[in-house]
Amino acid sequence: DAMVIQNPRYQVTQFGKPVTLSCSQTLNHNVMYWYQQKSSQAPKLLFHYYDKDFNNEADTPDNFQSRRPNTSFCFLDIRSPGLGDAAMYLCATSTLTPGMGNQPQHFGDGTRLSIL
Amino acid sequence: AQSVSQHNHHVILSEAASLELGCNYSYGGTVNLFWYVQYPGQHLQLLLKYFSGDPLVKGIKGFEAEFIKSKFSFNLRKPSVQWSDTAEYFCAVSEAAGNKLTFGGGTRVLVKP
Repeated sequence: DAMVIQNPRYQVTQFGKPVTLSCSQTLNHNVMYWYQQKSSQAPKLLFHYYDKDFNNEADTPDNFQSRRPNTSFCFLDIRSPGLGDAAMYLCATSTLTPGMGNQPQHFGDGTRLSIL
Repeated sequence: AQSVSQHNHHVILSEAASLELGCNYSYGGTVNLFWYVQYPGQHLQLLLKYFSGDPLVKGIKGFEAEFIKSKFSFNLRKPSVQWSDTAEYFCAVSEAAGNKLTFGGGTRVLVKP
């Protein structure tokens, strides 16, 4: 099945120690998104890539970076995780066709990040 | 900026009861509307979507939603719920020509057997 795959499902890191979360897709979608979802809250968009174009949300902390080396992969880098960064991180993909708008987003299972 | 409100944070009901979850959004332009469901331990899945046309949209698993433009609402309904409908439900909105979703706060639904 075509899928959005996030690895790992659970990640534990130490306060201040850089961590990278990964996302891959077999859907060949041109847009990839990263969301942060804290307990009992809505997913909050951090940034997205439209092809190779990076789009950062205005309120995303500088501590969060992203890379998309090719269509299939996208990474979320947290340079110096703080306790407040403990959350579920969701990757999603969609197809955006100019003039036709966006198609529904497909989500991965998420990576639950814990900070010690 | 868009915002999405889901008025019920928690809903508890018995099997075979009817379900209606409210969703209101604030945005003056043309929007696309979505309902996503997140079953325990699983990823967000699309239940249904509205882009244009018939404002009554039917989705998977017997769910439907009605877009009422004058009320900026997109309420989700199911006539008769099952225990397996226990999940968290998220309403989401995007600009019609855009690609960013704004989610509501979610409603946790517990269906008692």
